[in-house]
Amino acid sequence: DVKVTQSSRYLVKRTGEKVFLECVQDMDHENMFWYRQDPGLGLRLIYFSYDVKMKEKGDIPEGYSVSREKKERFSLILESASTNQTSMYLCASSPRWDPSPREKLFFGSGTQLSVL
Amino acid sequence: QQQVKQSPQSLIVQKGGISIINCAYENTAFDYFPWYQQFPGKGPALLIAIRPDVSEKKEGRFTISFNKSAKQFSLHIMDSQPGDSATYFCAPPSNFGNEKLTFGTGTRLTIIP
Repeated sequence: DVKVTQSSRYLVKRTGEKVFLECVQDMDHENMFWYRQDPGLGLRLIYFSYDVKMKEKGDIPEGYSVSREKKERFSLILESASTNQTSMYLCASSPRWDPSPREKLFFGSGTQLSVL
Repeated sequence: QQQVKQSPQSLIVQKGGISIINCAYENTAFDYFPWYQQFPGKGPALLIAIRPDVSEKKEGRFTISFNKSAKQFSLHIMDSQPGDSATYFCAPPSNFGNEKLTFGTGTRLTIIP
């Protein structure tokens, strides 16, 4: 079974703090993603990475950065947390595209971040 | 960014009934149309997906219907059960040739006895 593990289930931080959200996958997947989930807005893509040290902006990258130093680990960084970044953050991974594997995106259980 | 419109936002269905959720998209250059299912406290998981060379795909009680000309695809859950209560997302790819998905806003489905 593919396992995508997010380091924290719940996190409470103060405005202005630097926040690290960690994600590890154990299936040797090339692609990794960070989404945030908000009620009524669905899942929105923040950043994704298709290889080590490679990253691309998603639809809402402002206020976030990412790091991928090893294939299995993808970190999301909030340089200076703000209250509007209170959300559920979901990490996902998938194998590199070819006709079949592109069909499967595997998610972690999420980190509920509250910024006070 | 591709626009995805999912409806309804919430749905209550009696046990044994049919649940229907719809998704409309804009970009026609896709070859893959998935539905994801999310239970409380969990991340979404792939439920069923279809390619546009067929108009319908069935897996157990779950069916995807695809209408290419209308740029719509829908999820049908037959004989709905309380265990089907979850949030459902359609997620067509953003751009042909890359792995990004654009998720709909979600439908919260509740099956009542």
